[in-house]
Amino acid sequence: EADIYQTPRYLVIGTGKKITLECSQTMGHDKMYWYQQDPGMELHLIHYSYGVNSTEKGDLSSESTVSRIRTEHFPLTLESARPSHTSQYLCASSPRQGPYGYTFGSGTRLTVV
Amino acid sequence: AQSVTQPDIHITVSEGASLELRCNYSYGATPYLFWYVQSPGQGLQLLLKYFSGDTLVQGIKGFEAEFKRSQSSFNLRKPSVHWSDAAEYFCAVGEPGGSYIPTFGRGTSLIVHP
Repeated sequence: EADIYQTPRYLVIGTGKKITLECSQTMGHDKMYWYQQDPGMELHLIHYSYGVNSTEKGDLSSESTVSRIRTEHFPLTLESARPSHTSQYLCASSPRQGPYGYTFGSGTRLTVV
Repeated sequence: AQSVTQPDIHITVSEGASLELRCNYSYGATPYLFWYVQSPGQGLQLLLKYFSGDTLVQGIKGFEAEFKRSQSSFNLRKPSVHWSDAAEYFCAVGEPGGSYIPTFGRGTSLIVHP
């Protein structure tokens, strides 16, 4: 079944550690996105990609980086985690042509202690 | 740039009652409009979307939404709520002809009483 997968679902990590949040989709979508979600707040776009070797920063300043080497894979990396990075991170994808809406993954809940 | 407002942070309804969740947007022309639902511990799921044409759109799970240009609104409705509808609901607005990247509202939390 075509879907979008995020791992891990939950992560507790110490300050200063490097972490990579994984996101993979099997729908063949060209566009992929990373959002940060905090309770009671809007979803904030932190990175997006329109295809292989294409990455852009979103409207929320972020210390994370992304890569898009394969169409199906869009990992997000934090080089040095801080408590302020504690949040839920959602990955999403959509087809290249047209505003079809997003397919979201189940999210990664990150806690930095 | 577009913006979206969901005036209600929480809505409480009894099971079997009707539901209306409000969404107002700010945009110069007719935007693309979406409603998503998020169950606890899950990602968002697309309920329905509006691009053009009939202003009343039907979605999954028995939901519908009506686009009202004069009121800049896109309210979500359901005639009879089930306990499983308890979740967070997000309205989103996208810019036609642009990158299609939508702006999301802050969400409305739906609580369903038995």
